Amino acid sequence: EAQVTQNPRYLITVTGKKLTVTCSQNMNHEYMSWYRQDPGLGLRQIYYSMNVEVTDKGDVPEGYKVSRKEKRNFPLILESPSPNQTSLYFCASSQGGPDTQYFGPGTRLTVL
Amino acid sequence: KQEVTQIPAALSVPEGENLVLNCSFTDSAIYNLQWFRQDPGKGLTSLLLIQSSQREQTSGRLNASLDKSSGRSTLYIAASQPGDSATYLCAVNYKLSFGAGTTVTVRA
Repeated sequence: EAQVTQNPRYLITVTGKKLTVTCSQNMNHEYMSWYRQDPGLGLRQIYYSMNVEVTDKGDVPEGYKVSRKEKRNFPLILESPSPNQTSLYFCASSQGGPDTQYFGPGTRLTVL
Repeated sequence: KQEVTQIPAALSVPEGENLVLNCSFTDSAIYNLQWFRQDPGKGLTSLLLIQSSQREQTSGRLNASLDKSSGRSTLYIAASQPGDSATYLCAVNYKLSFGAGTTVTVRA
């Protein structure tokens, strides 16, 4: 089944404790991206990747890192999480260009 | 920077009524526009993708139109059902500039 998976689905952590949210797709998609969704602010792009080893900032990249060492994986790294990064995070992928984007189920992160 | 607006923010209709959801965008130079559905606390499900060269797309009871020159797209849902209750989001381009969504409630 074609899908985008994210892990963990729920995470509660404390300020400053490094964490990684994994994202994997099995559709051989070139384009992958991360979004956060906050009440009243909607969905905002954090980072995106056009292909392996090619990443770029989205609209709200501060406090986040990403890497794209393999085509199928695009982890999101929070080196020193803060409470304002409490949010619902989504990973997405597509073949690129004007193509349908597929979203993962989301990761609900709470930073205390 | 592309700005995407969805009006209304919320909509409540009786079952069977047709739904009309609006999406407007400020920059008409787009690759495509995509409509998504999101259920509470869940991920996004793609409903329809309209390429910039197309004027509309249809899937079952759903029809989406695109007018690039006026910066607008409309999602029509025919004969609404309680199962259509969700938030509907439009997004522009592969970098996906999202609107804030329209939350739809269909009353049985």
